[in-house]
Amino acid sequence: DTQLTQSPSSLSASEGDRVTITCRASQGISSFLAWYQQKPGKAPKLLIYAASTLQSGVPSRFSGSGSGTDFTLTISSLQPEDFATYYCQYLNTFGQGTKLEI
Amino acid sequence: QVQMQESGPGLVKPSQTLSLTCTVSGDSINSGGYYWSWIRQHPGKGLEWIGYIHYSGSTDYNPSLKSRVTISVDTSNNHFSLKLTSVTAADTAVYYCARDLRDDYYDSSGHRKDYGMDVWGQGTTVTVSS
Repeated sequence: DTQLTQSPSSLSASEGDRVTITCRASQGISSFLAWYQQKPGKAPKLLIYAASTLQSGVPSRFSGSGSGTDFTLTISSLQPEDFATYYCQYLNTFGQGTKLEI
Repeated sequence: QVQMQESGPGLVKPSQTLSLTCTVSGDSINSGGYYWSWIRQHPGKGLEWIGYIHYSGSTDYNPSLKSRVTISVDTSNNHFSLKLTSVTAADTAVYYCARDLRDDYYDSSGHRKDYGMDVWGQGTTVTVSS
């Protein structure tokens, strides 16, 4: 199975900041990467699929890019509700998560 | 709107079998050719895929759990189920079910098409303890 490595593991930021989270695959996966947001006590929520396609209802401040082995999730202007943990995923594998904190 | 709900005992004794059901509402489990996955999350940890079932009955499991896992589907009642045998404290986790949008097909580079997991249950906490 493909391994997914996220960086950083945690990130401190402030409201209004632009943040970028990286996910690196151990082998090429074309553009088939998904990103999720998870808040404490809640199920993960699909934000982006196919590396850059925004799931319906997700705010446009979220964007994704990349193909092959290197992918990024960018939040253009952090809102209070964006402080959460973010995971990347392809098929059976999830990244280890990035905790976004104030 | 598709919704999913996990159900089952919240407490299981060591060495016994964990049994959970995921009921799907708002759509038929055998429409659309979807895969249906179970994922778990140990306390304070990341997400671990357990396995999936296709409405046709085909399954695939995490190799680390394969010897203990069975996922089955009941299309008449629109639910699918997870059984995990010989549980230990290490199986204590929140268990989620999800609609899995992986495709049966591969792109020109040989990579299986996958569009994420778009609908999740709220999760159910299972504790393994005597």
